[in-house]
Amino acid sequence: DAKTTQPNSMESNEEEPVHLPCNHSTISGTDYIHWYRQLPSQGPEYVIHGLTSNVNNRMASLAIAEDRKSSTLILHRATLRDAAVYYCILRDEETSYDKVIFGPGTSLSVIP
Amino acid sequence: NAGVTQTPKFQVLKTGQSMTLQCAQDMNHEYMSWYRQDPGMGLRLIHYSVGAGITDQGEVPNGYNVSRSTTEDFPLRLLSAAPSQTSVYFCASSYSTRRVAYNEQFFGPGTRLTVL
Repeated sequence: DAKTTQPNSMESNEEEPVHLPCNHSTISGTDYIHWYRQLPSQGPEYVIHGLTSNVNNRMASLAIAEDRKSSTLILHRATLRDAAVYYCILRDEETSYDKVIFGPGTSLSVIP
Repeated sequence: NAGVTQTPKFQVLKTGQSMTLQCAQDMNHEYMSWYRQDPGMGLRLIHYSVGAGITDQGEVPNGYNVSRSTTEDFPLRLLSAAPSQTSVYFCASSYSTRRVAYNEQFFGPGTRLTVL
């Protein structure tokens, strides 16, 4: 499976936008880009996913580069509850079973 | 729906003891899996199942056994616990094993295991 690279940690001020980057230079044409986050002492939760076009939902936006070799998760107004580890992972459409691998992710701190 | 439930939430074992971590989901999901998470690290896949009666190994299967006799349940067994198995264990499920790229995974709250 193609791998992703994320910064170890980032900081943001409360109520400001946050842009969390992810590099996936070996992405294949059938890989979907998924984002999960893990709040302290909880299991991971799904945030958003996309293939080529930018995506929006109630939690966040996903901006995907035209060459698909990178993507950015955008939190429009960071709150203290958004402090978490954010994981960017790739999931192959052609895989008939699920072997999702989570890397270390980006630890986001939100400053009041 | 209760989603994905795990029991117990905390467990302390002595080296060599055995135990079973329970995982259940009430969403009729085909796919279930077990991960472990060590401090400061991401999640590593232990075992997974694509349906009742079918299981397979993930990235770090040694020391763990699983079975899937029903769609709802996917227990993880530690036959002889070792200190290296001290970790937080997460169970997850998703709707279908086909077109997995479209499906989100639902995670349980985790079991914190300490092996002395």
